[in-house]
Amino acid sequence: EAGVAQSPRYKIIEKRQSVAFWCNPISGHATLYWYQQILGQGPKLLIQFQNNGVVDDSQLPKDRFSAERLKGVDSTLKIQPAKLEDSAVYLCASMGTGGITGELFFGEGSRLTVL
Amino acid sequence: KQEVTQIPAALSVPEGENLVLNCSFTDSAIYNLQWFRQDPGKGLTSLLLIQSSQREQTSGRLNASLDKSSGRSTLYIAASQPGDSATYLCAVITGGGNKLTFGTGTQLKVEL
Repeated sequence: EAGVAQSPRYKIIEKRQSVAFWCNPISGHATLYWYQQILGQGPKLLIQFQNNGVVDDSQLPKDRFSAERLKGVDSTLKIQPAKLEDSAVYLCASMGTGGITGELFFGEGSRLTVL
Repeated sequence: KQEVTQIPAALSVPEGENLVLNCSFTDSAIYNLQWFRQDPGKGLTSLLLIQSSQREQTSGRLNASLDKSSGRSTLYIAASQPGDSATYLCAVITGGGNKLTFGTGTQLKVEL
């Protein structure tokens, strides 16, 4: 079974520019998460989708971050305009309802550097 | 609000040593607990998942235990190897909405 796919793996931008990250979860997984991981810290939840609906976006900085999962499959996370403190790895994860209940699978992450 | 703490934050051991990583959580009403490994510059790899009704899970040299009443889980690594060097993270799922909370991680270094 294919894993969680993320792109791009690396992105370098200047502050105030915009960036978009893409995630394709494991086929059939209804729940999709975006996490931000700053160097030396644990992942912090940005947004959680159940199919194409938002379950939790309480920690998403909505003035600059947006995310969508229009067809309930793949998802895009956008940052506009980027700030220096947005430099981090953005991790996408998915969870299915079948198999081992509640097991979470992660992609390789997208590393963002804001200069 | 669920809070997850991992102790120690960093650990350095000689090869061959058995070791224990600790994870504690404040809200015992968890759905399950999952241990992950993260190599530098990589995503998270699932190691073990313990359902709330279980007390432990084993995979190879890894054994994870769960004590819901005391809000604790331990990851036991037997006969550590340099290839075990990585950051180990625990995460708990709380509630029917699959809300996931991560610990801050333990950075492990196994030396030759």
